[in-house]
Amino acid sequence: DTEVTQTPKHLVMGMTNKKSLKCEQHMGHRAMYWYKQKAKKPPELMFVYSYEKLSINESVPSRFSPECPNSSLLNLHLHALQPEDSALYLCASSLSWARVNTEAFFGQGTRLTVV
Amino acid sequence: AQTVTQSQPEMSVQEAETVTLSCTYDTSESDYYLFWYKQPPSRQMILVIRQEAYKQQNATENRFSVNFQKAAKSFSLKISDSQLGDAAMYFCAYVQGGSEKLVFGKGTKLTVNP
Repeated sequence: DTEVTQTPKHLVMGMTNKKSLKCEQHMGHRAMYWYKQKAKKPPELMFVYSYEKLSINESVPSRFSPECPNSSLLNLHLHALQPEDSALYLCASSLSWARVNTEAFFGQGTRLTVV
Repeated sequence: AQTVTQSQPEMSVQEAETVTLSCTYDTSESDYYLFWYKQPPSRQMILVIRQEAYKQQNATENRFSVNFQKAAKSFSLKISDSQLGDAAMYFCAYVQGGSEKLVFGKGTKLTVNP
């Protein structure tokens, strides 16, 4: 199983809503990532979890709240988003960047629209 | 800070022909890794090829090969016998050894004409 599964694939939410994005992998990877990708742009790193601990937060606004309940699951909780937060949100995982620079496996993303 | 530059926003190639996508990077580190990722309309980022900086031999994966020029900090991707399924956005990426941060270039949109 070399899949990173993201749900939902599409999400439309209002600015006062609370929603969550989910990412799951069963490859035994211990590093998991959230990226934000605007149209025709490269992915931008938001958060990195390494061994279930938050290791990188790229100065992301607090309306985005990551959570890593276990080594297979990564969530991104959304609250009070702005229309400019509309983007493709990509999850990725890798064995571990710290010692072995292996490839990152990406999910298909969640297309988020904030109205 | 490390940067990755892809100077070709768009490229096109005829089916069965060969195309080369350019990538340059800037780093003062000696331990790093370079990648080419492909993102088709399905949105999923797929690893195409990977190169360790300490390896002099250019990486090859079937129809995909790289020209890694370490002194020039250049990492181009050659696609041979192009197929319609190769049409996608291609991103060059860099990661410093021991780092968790993947740095992407702005991407090159490849069109394959039948």
